[in-house]
Amino acid sequence: GDSVTQMEGPVTLSEEAFLTINCTYTATGYPSLFWYVQYPGEGLQLLLKATKADDKGSNKGFEATYRKETTSFHLEKGSVQVSDSAVYFCALIYSGGSNYKLTFGKGTLLTVNP
Amino acid sequence: GAGVSQTPSNKVTEKGKYVELRCDPISGHTALYWYRQSLGQGPEFLIYFQGTGAADDSGLPNDRFFAVRPEGSVSTLKIQRTERGDSAVYLCASSPRSGGPNPTNEQFFGPGTRLTVL
Repeated sequence: GDSVTQMEGPVTLSEEAFLTINCTYTATGYPSLFWYVQYPGEGLQLLLKATKADDKGSNKGFEATYRKETTSFHLEKGSVQVSDSAVYFCALIYSGGSNYKLTFGKGTLLTVNP
Repeated sequence: GAGVSQTPSNKVTEKGKYVELRCDPISGHTALYWYRQSLGQGPEFLIYFQGTGAADDSGLPNDRFFAVRPEGSVSTLKIQRTERGDSAVYLCASSPRSGGPNPTNEQFFGPGTRLTVL
């Protein structure tokens, strides 16, 4: 079945450092890909998404590009802030019949120190 | 406006007891989803409602788990004869519609209910 694998954390960075969180997927068909973020004490929020190959999703300085050839959707940010400290989840939705069912990775805890 | 709300935020129960977890979706959202997040894992799909009916309950782990949405708004997840392995955060999400990645189908998540079975 469909699955998402993302790099294990925790990841600890200093403010203004460059961030990459790797995500690869296995899916039948052509899924849509997402990054969700969970700030401390809050619910999951959609950070960005991409619906087809070579699409780039971006939001709040974060970017991720849908790479069909490597089945990847790595999250990047050029300069992280303390306020980016959160758990980040990569996820997909299958493009076929069950196109409402999000499949998530295990999550990556990011801590940004001042 | 108000987001998805879930009550209680924390629930501690003893093995074998019955529990109910409540979800209030965003007003007007017809689609509602339950997910379960075990420690160190990502959320896993449990059940999806479109209106009042459960359109897909394939993620429910066994027949001890049941969910209802009688009026197409509030939903209750019910767990009978709880086991220690049921301990997890139970997440609810809602969307205006369902299906695919379209903006109108984005799933909005509540803060979750942390269930601990002793």
